[in-house]
Amino acid sequence: DQQVKQNSPSLSVQEGRISILNCDYTNSMFDYFLWYKKYPAEGPTFLISISSIKDKNEDGRFTVFLNKSAKHLSLHIVPSQPGDSAVYFCAAIVQGAQKLVFGQGTRLTINP
Amino acid sequence: NAGVTQTPKFQVLKTGQSMTLQCAQDMNHEYMSWYRQDPGMGLRLIHYSVGAGITDQGEVPNGYNVSRSTTEDFPLRLLSAAPSQTSVYFCASRGGLTAEQYFGPGTRLTVT
Repeated sequence: DQQVKQNSPSLSVQEGRISILNCDYTNSMFDYFLWYKKYPAEGPTFLISISSIKDKNEDGRFTVFLNKSAKHLSLHIVPSQPGDSAVYFCAAIVQGAQKLVFGQGTRLTINP
Repeated sequence: NAGVTQTPKFQVLKTGQSMTLQCAQDMNHEYMSWYRQDPGMGLRLIHYSVGAGITDQGEVPNGYNVSRSTTEDFPLRLLSAAPSQTSVYFCASRGGLTAEQYFGPGTRLTVT
C-alpha cells in the first residue's frame, strides 16, 4: 500500500522555465511533508518542507504547495537551472511519529 | 562535522554470505534509520532506532538485523544475503523534534 505516490517517474523541462513536481498521499494523518533532492551516487538532501497548517512555503526558487482536501502537494522550481537535474522525492510523516514515508521519486531533467 | 558516514561504498556478496553495513553520525542525533532504494520503489524503511538500546522494524525488515549500542553507530547486518537484497542502502539520522533527516552517501550492494 503506497501511502505517498509520485505518479510521474520523469519530467523534462527547459532551462529558465518552471518545473512542477507532484505528489499525492492517502493517509489523512500525515501533517508534515518534505521534499528531498538526490544526485547520482549521493544520499538524498533535504530541500524544503511544509506543515499541514500552511498551504504554501517558499525558499528562494523553491515553493511547495499543499492542498489538504485533495491530499496533494507540489514542488515548483522557478526558474529551473541545469543543476536542478536530479531525482526528487516527496515524503510525509505524522509529527511525533517515527516513520518518514517516501514516494517513488521523479527524475527531473533540465535541458539547456 | 562529517555528518552521516557509511562504509563500504560498494560491496559484492555471494548468496548466503553475511556482512555488516556500517553507519556513523557525529551530530549527536537520537534517531537513526536504514533505507533501501530500488528502482520505482523509492526509499523504503528497513529498521530504525530512537536511541541507544532501542530499535524497531520499518516497512521491509526481513533479512536484516540492527543494534544500537551507542548514539553514534547504527550497523545493519545481513545474516544470509539473497539476490533480492541487491539494492542501494542509505543510513539517515535526525535530531530533536525535526522531521528533516540527514542521509549518508549510500552503500551499493550486489548479491550474486
